[in-house]
Amino acid sequence: GEDVEQSLFLSVREGDSSVINCTYTDSSSTYLYWYKQEPGAGLQLLTYIFSNMDMKQDQRLTVLLNKKDKHLSLRIADTQTGDSAIYFCAESYGNKLVFGAGTILRVKS
Amino acid sequence: NAGVTQTPKFQVLKTGQSMTLQCAQDMNHEYMSWYRQDPGMGLRLIHYSVGAGITDQGEVPNGYNVSRSTTEDFPLRLLSAAPSQTSVYFCASTRRGAFSYEQYFGPGTRLTVT
Repeated sequence: GEDVEQSLFLSVREGDSSVINCTYTDSSSTYLYWYKQEPGAGLQLLTYIFSNMDMKQDQRLTVLLNKKDKHLSLRIADTQTGDSAIYFCAESYGNKLVFGAGTILRVKS
Repeated sequence: NAGVTQTPKFQVLKTGQSMTLQCAQDMNHEYMSWYRQDPGMGLRLIHYSVGAGITDQGEVPNGYNVSRSTTEDFPLRLLSAAPSQTSVYFCASTRRGAFSYEQYFGPGTRLTVT
């Protein structure tokens, strides 16, 4: 079956880079996603990467995909206090998305 | 567009009570889904629908019913609430475009069953 694993917690200083890691099991996934959830809110799609890509950059966000190791990472450059949230990795599985448990990012000023 | 809306935002039920969580979207999306979010477990799919009149079970369907009589609405029914159903529930809708696959999430319903 499909499974998505993430580390639970990451703490960084304001201005530093944050790297959130994720591993997945379904090698047939077409897309992989990063979502952000702020306190008391729903999930917001941050970015996604097609499975035939190795890297995607979108302003302060860089997504790296290592298909051989089934490893996905999200790098946030110049992390700000407003980036404090829970970040979910997800892979597509047929018509469904399978989510990891989320990584809590805490940004210290 | 209002996007995906959910009501109510908060609800407290007693064990054995029934209720319906409402979800609506105005984006003409074919796919709609219900997830529950529990601490340390991420989001788990309860039921989903690929179009009006078509529903299917997700990962954790027991204790929940759904129906999809219109494209816009996808209510989730708890027939006899149990404390294990205390959770935050998210509804989502999806468009399938040529090069993207996104889910738009509602703001969530926080349900407590005592």
